[in-house]
Amino acid sequence: GAVVSQHPSRVICKSGTSVKIECRSLDFQATTMFWYRQFPKQSLMLMATSNEGSKATYEQGVEKDKFLINHASLTLSTLTVTSAHPEDSSFYICSARKLAGDYNEQFFGPGTRLTVL
Amino acid sequence: AQSVAQPEDQVNVAEGNPLTVKCTYSVSGNPYLFWYVQYPNRGLQFLLKYITGDNLVKGSYGFEAEFNKSQTSFHLKKPSALVSDSALYFCAVRDLGFQKLVFGTGTRLLVSP
Repeated sequence: GAVVSQHPSRVICKSGTSVKIECRSLDFQATTMFWYRQFPKQSLMLMATSNEGSKATYEQGVEKDKFLINHASLTLSTLTVTSAHPEDSSFYICSARKLAGDYNEQFFGPGTRLTVL
Repeated sequence: AQSVAQPEDQVNVAEGNPLTVKCTYSVSGNPYLFWYVQYPNRGLQFLLKYITGDNLVKGSYGFEAEFNKSQTSFHLKKPSALVSDSALYFCAVRDLGFQKLVFGTGTRLLVSP
Protein backbone atom coordinates (compact mmCIF):
# COMPACT_ATOMS: atom_id res chain seq x y z
CA GLY A 1 0.00 0.00 0.00
CA ALA A 2 0.86 3.72 0.08
CA VAL A 3 1.02 4.49 -3.62
CA VAL A 4 1.15 8.03 -4.90
CA SER A 5 0.54 8.81 -8.55
CA GLN A 6 1.18 11.93 -10.58
CA HIS A 7 -0.39 12.99 -13.82
CA PRO A 8 0.88 13.76 -16.34
CA SER A 9 4.30 12.14 -16.16
CA ARG A 10 5.61 14.46 -18.82
CA VAL A 11 4.27 17.68 -20.30
CA ILE A 12 5.55 20.10 -22.87
CA CYS A 13 3.87 23.47 -23.19
CA LYS A 14 4.36 26.84 -24.80
CA SER A 15 5.56 29.83 -22.85
CA GLY A 16 2.67 31.76 -21.33
CA THR A 17 0.32 28.83 -20.91
CA SER A 18 -0.75 27.24 -17.63
CA VAL A 19 -0.13 23.64 -16.70
CA LYS A 20 -1.88 21.57 -14.03
CA ILE A 21 -0.19 18.64 -12.34
CA GLU A 22 -2.19 16.19 -10.24
CA CYS A 23 -0.97 14.25 -7.25
CA ARG A 24 -3.14 11.41 -5.96
CA SER A 25 -2.82 9.04 -3.05
CA LEU A 26 -4.30 5.88 -4.51
CA ASP A 27 -4.79 3.64 -1.49
CA PHE A 28 -4.71 5.94 1.50
CA GLN A 29 -5.97 9.28 2.73
CA ALA A 30 -3.41 12.03 2.95
CA THR A 31 -3.73 14.88 5.40
CA THR A 32 -0.67 16.60 4.07
CA MET A 33 0.92 16.71 0.66
CA PHE A 34 4.21 18.26 -0.27
CA TRP A 35 5.36 19.67 -3.58
CA TYR A 36 9.03 19.59 -4.52
CA ARG A 37 11.02 20.83 -7.44
CA GLN A 38 14.17 19.11 -8.61
CA PHE A 39 16.67 20.65 -10.98
CA PRO A 40 19.05 18.45 -12.97
CA LYS A 41 21.71 16.93 -10.76
CA GLN A 42 20.41 18.82 -7.76
CA SER A 43 18.46 18.06 -4.66
CA LEU A 44 14.77 18.32 -4.05
CA MET A 45 13.64 21.75 -2.98
CA LEU A 46 10.41 21.96 -1.05
CA MET A 47 8.04 24.41 -2.70
CA ALA A 48 5.00 24.17 -0.48
CA THR A 49 3.12 22.13 2.05
CA SER A 50 -0.60 21.67 1.61
CA ASN A 51 -3.10 20.43 4.14
CA GLU A 52 -6.49 19.24 3.02
CA GLY A 53 -9.07 21.99 3.12
CA SER A 54 -6.70 24.82 3.92
CA LYS A 55 -4.34 27.13 2.09
CA ALA A 56 -0.92 25.88 1.20
CA THR A 57 2.15 27.09 3.04
CA TYR A 58 4.81 28.20 0.61
CA GLU A 59 8.53 28.17 1.20
CA GLN A 60 10.44 31.39 1.08
CA GLY A 61 11.10 32.48 -2.47
CA VAL A 62 8.29 30.50 -4.04
CA GLU A 63 5.68 32.66 -5.76
CA LYS A 64 2.28 31.53 -4.58
CA ASP A 65 0.51 33.31 -7.44
CA LYS A 66 2.62 31.47 -9.96
CA PHE A 67 2.47 28.04 -8.37
CA LEU A 68 -1.12 27.52 -7.34
CA ILE A 69 -1.73 24.60 -5.05
CA ASN A 70 -5.12 23.13 -4.29
CA HIS A 71 -5.72 20.27 -1.85
CA ALA A 72 -9.46 19.83 -2.11
CA SER A 73 -9.72 16.25 -0.92
CA LEU A 74 -7.81 13.75 1.16
CA THR A 75 -6.59 12.00 -1.95
CA LEU A 76 -5.88 14.78 -4.41
CA SER A 77 -3.64 17.82 -4.59
CA THR A 78 -2.96 19.86 -7.70
CA LEU A 79 -0.14 22.18 -8.65
CA THR A 80 -0.87 24.69 -11.39
CA VAL A 81 2.05 26.50 -12.96
CA THR A 82 0.52 29.69 -14.28
CA SER A 83 1.92 31.60 -17.24
CA ALA A 84 4.77 29.15 -17.51
CA HIS A 85 8.17 30.26 -18.76
CA PRO A 86 11.23 28.26 -19.81
CA GLU A 87 12.82 28.78 -16.39
CA ASP A 88 9.91 26.85 -14.88
CA SER A 89 11.07 23.75 -16.72
CA SER A 90 11.89 21.20 -14.08
CA PHE A 91 11.01 17.89 -12.49
CA TYR A 92 8.13 18.32 -10.03
CA ILE A 93 7.59 15.68 -7.36
CA CYS A 94 4.82 15.41 -4.83
CA SER A 95 4.69 13.40 -1.64
CA ALA A 96 1.92 12.55 0.77
CA ARG A 97 1.64 11.76 4.43
CA LYS A 98 -1.01 9.36 5.67
CA LEU A 99 -3.99 10.53 7.69
CA ALA A 100 -3.43 7.67 10.08
CA GLY A 101 0.17 6.65 10.02
CA ASP A 102 3.74 7.45 10.87
CA TYR A 103 4.09 11.22 10.89
CA ASN A 104 7.65 10.82 9.72
CA GLU A 105 6.84 8.89 6.62
CA GLN A 106 6.26 10.53 3.25
CA PHE A 107 5.32 8.62 0.14
CA PHE A 108 6.57 10.08 -3.10
CA GLY A 109 4.99 10.22 -6.50
CA PRO A 110 6.94 9.32 -9.65
CA GLY A 111 7.36 12.95 -10.67
CA THR A 112 6.28 15.13 -13.59
CA ARG A 113 8.76 16.52 -16.04
CA LEU A 114 7.68 19.93 -17.29
CA THR A 115 9.29 21.45 -20.35
CA VAL A 116 8.31 24.98 -21.31
CA LEU A 117 9.25 26.02 -24.83
CA ALA B 1 18.32 25.65 10.69
CA GLN B 2 18.47 22.05 9.71
CA SER B 3 20.80 20.95 6.94
CA VAL B 4 22.24 17.85 5.38
CA ALA B 5 25.55 17.36 3.60
CA GLN B 6 26.42 14.59 1.20
CA PRO B 7 30.09 15.23 0.46
CA GLU B 8 30.39 12.89 -2.51
CA ASP B 9 28.74 13.61 -5.83
CA GLN B 10 29.45 10.07 -6.99
CA VAL B 11 30.57 6.81 -5.47
CA ASN B 12 31.97 4.05 -7.64
CA VAL B 13 32.14 0.48 -6.42
CA ALA B 14 32.54 -2.93 -8.00
CA GLU B 15 29.74 -5.44 -7.74
CA GLY B 16 30.12 -7.63 -4.68
CA ASN B 17 32.14 -5.07 -2.76
CA PRO B 18 30.80 -3.17 0.24
CA LEU B 19 29.52 0.32 -0.31
CA THR B 20 29.22 3.42 1.82
CA VAL B 21 27.40 6.63 0.97
CA LYS B 22 28.16 9.42 3.40
CA CYS B 23 25.80 11.85 5.08
CA THR B 24 26.25 14.38 7.84
CA TYR B 25 23.56 16.54 9.33
CA SER B 26 22.94 19.61 11.43
CA VAL B 27 19.84 20.16 13.53
CA SER B 28 19.05 22.05 16.67
CA GLY B 29 17.33 19.18 18.40
CA ASN B 30 17.01 15.46 18.00
CA PRO B 31 17.22 14.44 14.33
CA TYR B 32 14.91 12.25 12.37
CA LEU B 33 17.05 10.87 9.54
CA PHE B 34 16.09 9.21 6.29
CA TRP B 35 17.60 7.66 3.19
CA TYR B 36 15.81 7.62 -0.14
CA VAL B 37 16.78 6.22 -3.53
CA GLN B 38 15.80 7.66 -6.90
CA TYR B 39 15.97 5.87 -10.22
CA PRO B 40 16.06 7.90 -13.47
CA ASN B 41 12.89 9.92 -14.07
CA ARG B 42 11.26 8.41 -11.02
CA GLY B 43 10.17 9.66 -7.63
CA LEU B 44 11.92 8.79 -4.42
CA GLN B 45 11.69 5.42 -2.76
CA PHE B 46 12.10 5.11 0.99
CA LEU B 47 15.02 2.98 2.15
CA LEU B 48 15.23 3.45 5.89
CA LYS B 49 14.90 5.87 8.76
CA TYR B 50 16.30 6.59 12.19
CA ILE B 51 13.99 8.06 14.78
CA THR B 52 15.24 6.66 18.06
CA GLY B 53 16.64 3.47 19.51
CA ASP B 54 19.34 1.26 18.04
CA ASN B 55 21.97 3.25 16.17
CA LEU B 56 22.17 0.64 13.40
CA VAL B 57 19.09 0.78 11.24
CA LYS B 58 18.27 -1.89 8.68
CA GLY B 59 16.21 -1.03 5.65
CA SER B 60 15.05 -2.18 2.25
CA TYR B 61 17.12 -4.10 -0.31
CA GLY B 62 19.83 -5.02 2.19
CA PHE B 63 20.79 -1.45 3.03
CA GLU B 64 21.59 -0.28 6.51
CA ALA B 65 22.72 2.97 8.10
CA GLU B 66 24.48 3.86 11.30
CA PHE B 67 23.50 6.88 13.35
CA ASN B 68 26.50 8.47 15.02
CA LYS B 69 25.50 11.33 17.25
CA SER B 70 29.01 12.47 18.14
CA GLN B 71 29.98 12.73 14.48
CA THR B 72 26.50 13.88 13.39
CA SER B 73 26.59 11.30 10.65
CA PHE B 74 24.18 8.81 9.15
CA HIS B 75 26.14 6.89 6.52
CA LEU B 76 24.37 4.41 4.26
CA LYS B 77 25.98 1.02 3.85
CA LYS B 78 25.55 -2.30 2.13
CA PRO B 79 27.83 -5.30 2.56
CA SER B 80 27.72 -6.43 -1.06
CA ALA B 81 26.75 -4.07 -3.88
CA LEU B 82 24.65 -5.04 -6.87
CA VAL B 83 24.67 -3.45 -10.31
CA SER B 84 20.97 -2.76 -9.79
CA ASP B 85 21.84 -0.58 -6.79
CA SER B 86 23.13 2.05 -9.23
CA ALA B 87 20.94 5.09 -8.62
CA LEU B 88 20.81 8.48 -6.93
CA TYR B 89 20.71 8.40 -3.14
CA PHE B 90 19.40 11.18 -0.94
CA CYS B 91 19.86 11.68 2.77
CA ALA B 92 17.23 13.78 4.53
CA VAL B 93 16.65 15.15 8.00
CA ARG B 94 13.65 16.42 9.87
CA ASP B 95 14.04 18.39 13.03
CA LEU B 96 11.58 17.71 15.81
CA GLY B 97 8.91 20.37 15.66
CA PHE B 98 9.22 20.96 11.92
CA GLN B 99 7.09 19.36 9.26
CA LYS B 100 9.42 19.46 6.37
CA LEU B 101 12.23 17.23 5.25
CA VAL B 102 15.49 18.82 4.20
CA PHE B 103 17.37 16.84 1.58
CA GLY B 104 21.04 16.58 0.79
CA THR B 105 22.30 17.19 -2.72
CA GLY B 106 22.33 13.50 -3.54
CA THR B 107 25.07 10.99 -4.28
CA ARG B 108 25.12 9.00 -7.46
CA LEU B 109 26.11 5.40 -6.85
CA LEU B 110 27.59 3.54 -9.77
CA VAL B 111 28.13 -0.20 -9.33
CA SER B 112 30.21 -1.77 -12.06
CA PRO B 113 29.91 -5.43 -13.06
